[in-house]
Amino acid sequence: DADVTQTPRNRITKTGKRIMLECSQTKGHDRMYWYRQDPGLGLRLIYYSFDVKDINKGEISDGYSVSRQAQAKFSLSLESAIPNQTALYFCATSTDAYNEQFFGPGTRLTVL
Amino acid sequence: AQKVTQAQTEISVVEKEDVTLDCVYETRDTTYYLFWYKQPPSGELVFLIRRNSFDEQNEISGRYSWNFQKSTSSFNFTITASQVVDSAVYFCALMRNSGNTPLVFGKGTRLSVIA
Repeated sequence: DADVTQTPRNRITKTGKRIMLECSQTKGHDRMYWYRQDPGLGLRLIYYSFDVKDINKGEISDGYSVSRQAQAKFSLSLESAIPNQTALYFCATSTDAYNEQFFGPGTRLTVL
Repeated sequence: AQKVTQAQTEISVVEKEDVTLDCVYETRDTTYYLFWYKQPPSGELVFLIRRNSFDEQNEISGRYSWNFQKSTSSFNFTITASQVVDSAVYFCALMRNSGNTPLVFGKGTRLSVIA
């Protein structure tokens, strides 16, 4: 089984809908991240969490919120989805600040 | 501010050619970490290498090699004898040594290896 899983893998929704993307990990890592990937822009950080009680905004947090329900779970919500939030979303985990991040398979979100 | 520049947006080579992907970074820190990730057409992100700023020794892993030069703030990636399976988007990333800052990614270089 994959160490970092994301659900759903694909989602099509309409403008104004509330959407939640979920991330679970079995690696036992404290640090979790949400990124967004757009063509030609690389990966941009949305939110990150260094432990259950710690949530930090990333580069592009506007329009998003997160919840760290447990060490293993980190959810990303779009309260009212808009078309320019159409993108590929990645969750990642890491043991500490200096080691590599392990990425989930991604969620492709389309907002119509 | 931390910044990573991958000036090559797309590169196309013929199979068996060598290819170098450039990565230039900006940081005021003396200690930092550099990374390369691969994103094949299937979409997942695969970790390739991490390099500490104190370790300027070049690294080779099979057909892959990395050239780290602090003097030019570059961490370039070379694929020798490229293969079609090397076709992917490659990302360079930078992390400060502060302990509580996340990765900063470049915009990626799309490599196409043609048979």
